[in-house]
Amino acid sequence: DAGVIQSPRHEVTEMGQEVTLRCKPISGHDYLFWYRQTMMRGLELLIYFNNNVPIDDSGMPEDRFSAKMPNASFSTLKIQPSEPRDSAVYFCASLGFGQPQHFGDGTRLSIL
Amino acid sequence: AQSVTQLGSHVSVSEGALVLLRCNYSSSVPPYLFWYVQYPNQGLQLLLKYTSAATLVKGINGFEAEFKKSETSFHLTKPSAHMSDAAEYFCAVSEGTSYGKLTFGQGTILTVHP
Repeated sequence: DAGVIQSPRHEVTEMGQEVTLRCKPISGHDYLFWYRQTMMRGLELLIYFNNNVPIDDSGMPEDRFSAKMPNASFSTLKIQPSEPRDSAVYFCASLGFGQPQHFGDGTRLSIL
Repeated sequence: AQSVTQLGSHVSVSEGALVLLRCNYSSSVPPYLFWYVQYPNQGLQLLLKYTSAATLVKGINGFEAEFKKSETSFHLTKPSAHMSDAAEYFCAVSEGTSYGKLTFGQGTILTVHP
């Protein structure tokens, strides 16, 4: 079991650029979650999917943020255009029946 | 709506001393409760979970937590701290009948002194 895989691990880009974060959930898990972690706000749920369908996106901060899950083994979180206040660590987690959430190691995003 | 409050953003103990990290929750339905640990530059790792079975839950690395409905608490304890326990700990709650959407507390950073 390779666990939840996120890429890139680190991303530094300039304000206004598009940022794409990627996540591969654990095989067989049917839920996928995107979280953002900052010092000020802690861990926030942004959006989650069940069987590739978005269930709750109420945590997505603005229209600049979008998430997709085109198939059971891949999801993306995009920010366009990016702003310095988007700097944070973004985590992906997946969950299967009868199991708790398993987290990836996160993407540390810095917007200059 | 569900919520979690962790009392104390920083806790410091000596190696070998008792570890006690406090968590209180609010939930409109019977909750599922979790403790996660986060080491630097890593994701969250599950320590233990409460799912309406035994109220005293044992987890990995010698940690345990007790669910007290009357106090709406789910405090995390370990009898003897080890240097490797230094990390940030998060309490989380999930409402309903699934393990789904989690609400996290603000986290408690545990420091262990030699």
